[in-house]
Amino acid sequence: DAGITQSPRHKVTETGTPVTLRCHQTENHRYMYWYRQDPGHGLRLIHYSYGVKDTDKGEVSDGYSVSRSKTEDFLLTLESATSSQTSVYFCAITPTVNTGELFFGEGSRLTVL
Amino acid sequence: QKEVEQDPGPLSVPEGAIVSLNCTYSNSAFQYFMWYRQYSRKGPELLMYTYSSGNKEDGRFTAQVDKSSKYISLFIRDSQPSDSATYLCAMSALNYGQNFVFGPGTRLSVLP
Repeated sequence: DAGITQSPRHKVTETGTPVTLRCHQTENHRYMYWYRQDPGHGLRLIHYSYGVKDTDKGEVSDGYSVSRSKTEDFLLTLESATSSQTSVYFCAITPTVNTGELFFGEGSRLTVL
Repeated sequence: QKEVEQDPGPLSVPEGAIVSLNCTYSNSAFQYFMWYRQYSRKGPELLMYTYSSGNKEDGRFTAQVDKSSKYISLFIRDSQPSDSATYLCAMSALNYGQNFVFGPGTRLSVLP
């Protein structure tokens, strides 16, 4: 158990509504990541954080924003959800940048109608 | 051309078989190579991590990297039904999580 909790685990929403996904860690690790996983694309990085209030964009950041006001929480927000954002979202943490090891949460399955 | 290519499968093998899973890549700067295993409806978990070329063995799992051919492999010996999962390769030029590039994954089914 990597000490990562994602919420909600499942959500169905309508186009144009805002959505916030939460990632909570109990490990006090500095680096946190948000990925999306889609068939045929693998995991793609949306945003990541390297400390409180320190975030940066990943490969597919358009339409997403993040916030990290506490070490343990990393929030992903879709300001106005679109059907192309239907996906499974994974949060990940890493205890160190030198091992290649990302610990992933259980995922949040989002459907945008 | 995608940066990392992986046959999506599904790949079905009988219990006890040797399984070979492969990825090809185009970026010659990649030097960190990983294999993740993902069970259905779960997050991926790290199986193997290698740096540069060569082989690495861990129990029934062997990871091989051939940088000259831009090709990596994961071998599973004496496969078990519990190995049924999706296997994702990942690679990076720099050893930072934000630089990892993941393959789309290969679905493996090991039949009892």
